[in-house]
Formats: sequence, structure tokens, C-alpha cells
Amino acid sequence: KAGVTQTPRYLIKTRGQQVTLSCSPISGHRSVSWYQQTPGQGLQFLFEYFSETQRNKGNFPGRFSGRQFSNSRSEMNVSTLELGDSALYLCASSPYERQYLNSPLHFGNGTRLTVT
Amino acid sequence: DQQVKQNSPSLSVQEGRISILNCDYTNSMFDYFLWYKKYPAEGPTFLISISSIKDKNEDGRFTVFLNKSAKHLSLHIVPSQPGDSAVYFCAASAVGFGNEKLTFGTGTRLTIIP
Repeated sequence: KAGVTQTPRYLIKTRGQQVTLSCSPISGHRSVSWYQQTPGQGLQFLFEYFSETQRNKGNFPGRFSGRQFSNSRSEMNVSTLELGDSALYLCASSPYERQYLNSPLHFGNGTRLTVT
Repeated sequence: DQQVKQNSPSLSVQEGRISILNCDYTNSMFDYFLWYKKYPAEGPTFLISISSIKDKNEDGRFTVFLNKSAKHLSLHIVPSQPGDSAVYFCAASAVGFGNEKLTFGTGTRLTIIP
């Protein structure tokens, strides 16, 4: 069974631009969550989608948005990029609506975003 | 406000000895706890979990202990092996309170010395 796939692996953008990151969950998984990892801050929760509906949202500005498609694939968008948005963005999937009950989150290898 | 804290950014342990990673939390609503392990250039992988109705859970070389009164959990790895060198994240959630998202700590980098 293929794991969680995130594309691209690396991305370099300029301040003020926007970026879209993609995540394909494990086949059969309907829940997709996004996390931002920065040094010293650990993994910060961005949002979770289940069956195309946003179920939960973290404390990030409105520049961060996401969506989920009918095939469970998800995209995350960041507009008006700032230098502080440089981070590893991780996507995780789970079969269930509640992120990890009965089955822990399965993470992808992440997209490393660098904003210059 | 960091609700889940891992106060040791790094830890070095001799191969074969016990590794103890610690995690403290402030939110008394948290009732489910997990540990994840992360190698460089890879996503975190689930290691072990514990619910608040237990105070210990074992899985092979890994044991997680939960002290609810102290709001503290720890991960014991015995015996430590070179492949255990990674960053370890603890995570917590308030399952019964409608807020199932995982709150992660900042991680502890474990280095096993051969």
C-alpha cells in the first residue's frame, strides 16, 4: 500500500508570492491533516479535512487555507508569503474522522518550503 | 502557549542502556497521548500511545508512563539501539472534549552512542 505522498518535496518562493502544496493520502483514508514544522516550535496543527469538509483549524492567519477533493486528495495554499513561512509542511492521513482514534496518523515526508 | 513541552532538546545515551524521554503538558483536558519518531527527510511515524485511563503501556522495547497528577509522561526505550537515533515528539489530544486535533511538543533529538 502506497504511503502518504506530498508534492513537491522542495520549493523556493519569494516573499509576497503564493504557493500550493499537494497531498495524496493513503488509499481508503478519508481524513487529511496538515502540520507546519519549524525549529523550536515542533509540529503546529494547521487544519484537518474529512470528506471534503474542514473539521478543525489551528491558530494560523487566513493566508493559510486548504481544501479536500472528492478523492480525498488535499491541497494547502499560502498566499502573500512571508519569510517566517519557511518550514517543513507535513500532511497526515487517517481512515477515520477523528484523527487518530483506532489508527494513528500516517505522515508524508513533507514539503520543504523556503521563502526568500 | 506551548501546551505540550519537551524541555530537553537533545539526549545522548550509550547503546544498550535505557533512554528516557520526558514530556509535560499543561492542559488538564488532554486524555490521549502519543509518541512519534522522526528520521531526517522523513515524516514522523507512530510509536506508541496511552489513554488517560492507564498509567503504563508497553510495546516491545518501548514503554510509555503517564502521571496524570503531575501532567507528565515519559517514554522508556530499553535497550537503546543505534537505529533509535531520531527526533521524538510527544503529542496529546482531548478526545472527549470535541477537540481531537493532536498538539505536539517541540521534540527531543535522541542520539545513541555505539
